[in-house]
Amino acid sequence: GAGVSQSPRYKVAKRGQDVALRCDPISGHVSLFWYQQALGQGPEFLTYFQNEAQLDKSGLPSDRFFAERPEGSVSTLKIQRTQQEDSAVYLCASSWDENTEAFFGQGTRLTVV
Amino acid sequence: GDSVTQMEGPVTLSEEAFLTINCTYTATGYPSLFWYVQYPGEGLQLLLKATKADDKGSNKGFEATYRKETTSFHLEKGSVQVSDSAVYFCALRGNFGNEKLTFGTGTRLTIIP
Repeated sequence: GAGVSQSPRYKVAKRGQDVALRCDPISGHVSLFWYQQALGQGPEFLTYFQNEAQLDKSGLPSDRFFAERPEGSVSTLKIQRTQQEDSAVYLCASSWDENTEAFFGQGTRLTVV
Repeated sequence: GDSVTQMEGPVTLSEEAFLTINCTYTATGYPSLFWYVQYPGEGLQLLLKATKADDKGSNKGFEATYRKETTSFHLEKGSVQVSDSAVYFCALRGNFGNEKLTFGTGTRLTIIP
């Protein structure tokens, strides 16, 4: 596809369940970012990859959050033992490198009940 | 750390009115500044950017000037249209190898015919 693709678009999880959110970046993009956007707020940085290397994970809110990009393309954000405060839209963005425009996916809306 | 303070919404204007959305920032060094827009049902899109002091970014009739002396990057448009209804986010990207975007909370703009 031409843009950043995220799946699923919507996810409802019971508290305590594990979830996995997928991001397909634009082909060839080296940099990949994950952001969390709570209702009525701006996106907040979670983690950053350059190819398969996770260079910054300072925004991950707890050790229940884990991200990977094993082959330097598709990335997965995993949340273990989901809590209600994890309810948010999770955005993925990719760019050719860290200095060029970041293109965003439409996000995955996670609701924890 | 870096932060962005953005005019709170929602903002409602009549078509052809003049628009200003205020944005100020706090950052070390010389960040790059951005305005992103999120139309209903779509992902975040880059609207315009400026990478150094006194630069003016412009796109689709929108403008913003990077003012280092006032640490501001206010978004303006001379005559808004119904199609400009969206949520607007001011953001910065720090330098010194800090690739992540720091966003403001967003301003919802509604234009009425």
